[in-house]
Amino acid sequence: ETGVTQSPTHLIKTRGQQVTLRCSSQSGHNTVSWYQQALGQGPQFIFQYYREEENGRGNFPPRFSGLQFPNYSSELNVNALELDDSALYLCASSLGQGSVTEAFFGQGTRLTVV
Amino acid sequence: DQQVKQNSPSLSVQEGRISILNCDYTNSMFDYFLWYKKYPAEGPTFLISISSIKDKNEDGRFTVFLNKSAKHLSLHIVPSQPGDSAVYFCAAPRLYGGSQGNLIFGKGTKLSVKP
Repeated sequence: ETGVTQSPTHLIKTRGQQVTLRCSSQSGHNTVSWYQQALGQGPQFIFQYYREEENGRGNFPPRFSGLQFPNYSSELNVNALELDDSALYLCASSLGQGSVTEAFFGQGTRLTVV
Repeated sequence: DQQVKQNSPSLSVQEGRISILNCDYTNSMFDYFLWYKKYPAEGPTFLISISSIKDKNEDGRFTVFLNKSAKHLSLHIVPSQPGDSAVYFCAAPRLYGGSQGNLIFGKGTKLSVKP
């Protein structure tokens, strides 16, 4: 059973605003990865945090940033929102880097930018 | 080039029959593949995986076949059940580029199993 929780579940923002999405990782997991899933697409890797440090980044602009806290929970921040940022944002937690089979996904945050 | 492709957006099968979901990839260096299942309003859930040293991996009703020469894998579900109705994603860990180990996903195939 996944223990990854994301908040909020749904969010509507206006273009140009900033948004913060939160992820609580499964107990004992020290790695969090964030993915963006646009409509009709598979999840796209945004970045990964391992022990509070960014540990890899996908092809996303700097206005996508993140944090990982000492309890391994994480935030995804997006500045200057654009209409194309509308998507489902998923976080996945795992133990250690690259342990993809043990990565558990949260239910996602549905972001709509209007 | 590191791509994973699922060219069938949807598949409909009758309950009890076999479901075959297909996936192609572009880089012969991929050495591990995963299938995830996703229900609406839930995150993806790991289903089954296969290493490139194998050509088949089976787990209950789910079997994944890997054809390395064709750079193709498929997920077989036998027998299909209505509860299998979901979106299925094929994925592979990225090989290089500063984010090793993170997943490259296909676009997914929506499976509908009709009673």
